[in-house]
Amino acid sequence: EDQVTQSPEALRLQEGESSSLNCSYTVSGLRGLFWYRQDPGKGPEFLFTLYSAGEEKEKERLKATLTKKESFLHITAPKPEDSATYLCAVRWSGGSNYKLTFGKGTLLTVNP
Amino acid sequence: GAVVSQHPSRVICKSGTSVKIECRSLDFQATTMFWYRQFPKQSLMLMATSNEGSKATYEQGVEKDKFLINHASLTLSTLTVTSAHPEDSSFYICSAPGLAGGPRETQYFGPGTRLLVL
Repeated sequence: EDQVTQSPEALRLQEGESSSLNCSYTVSGLRGLFWYRQDPGKGPEFLFTLYSAGEEKEKERLKATLTKKESFLHITAPKPEDSATYLCAVRWSGGSNYKLTFGKGTLLTVNP
Repeated sequence: GAVVSQHPSRVICKSGTSVKIECRSLDFQATTMFWYRQFPKQSLMLMATSNEGSKATYEQGVEKDKFLINHASLTLSTLTVTSAHPEDSSFYICSAPGLAGGPRETQYFGPGTRLLVL
């Protein structure tokens, strides 16, 4: 059973069409949930860290929220340059220090 | 945020040869670095944890004699793929937890190294 599940696997949006990406986790003792953006052929770029349920973080058109079982990455009025794979990862008490467990990502395509 | 670099960005080698990949933390010191592997359209899989001044810790199923890790200093970790075979072709990415200039315990990733073994 996957510990971190992201949905949908792929999402196509029109420019300006807001939507949300989901990351659900089954680990216990969450020590942090991380969102990254990855462009093709490049390493992940850090976006947000969330530590406790109810926490929210915003950056430009992106807003991340966290509950006890899942996190959402809301994209408001996306632009073509927001097209990328968005990765979710968790640190949890069952893992070693700093170890991240990643989901498989959501490939977002924003059409002009 | 913290900056992590990798070198080379791409490498092509013949089967049976060894390839060394460097990972550097540019503006901070890292006693711990991580090496990941990513196959096309798949997520990142942790291979090993590189520890400065001690042996690396490998994840289950990762051959330590094939993927040699050396954490030579507080800013440099190297991954050597020994006797590379075509099935080792992949995208290798390193990361380091950045404490200076970024959120606590966040991992910052390098740009990755694309390895192709012919």
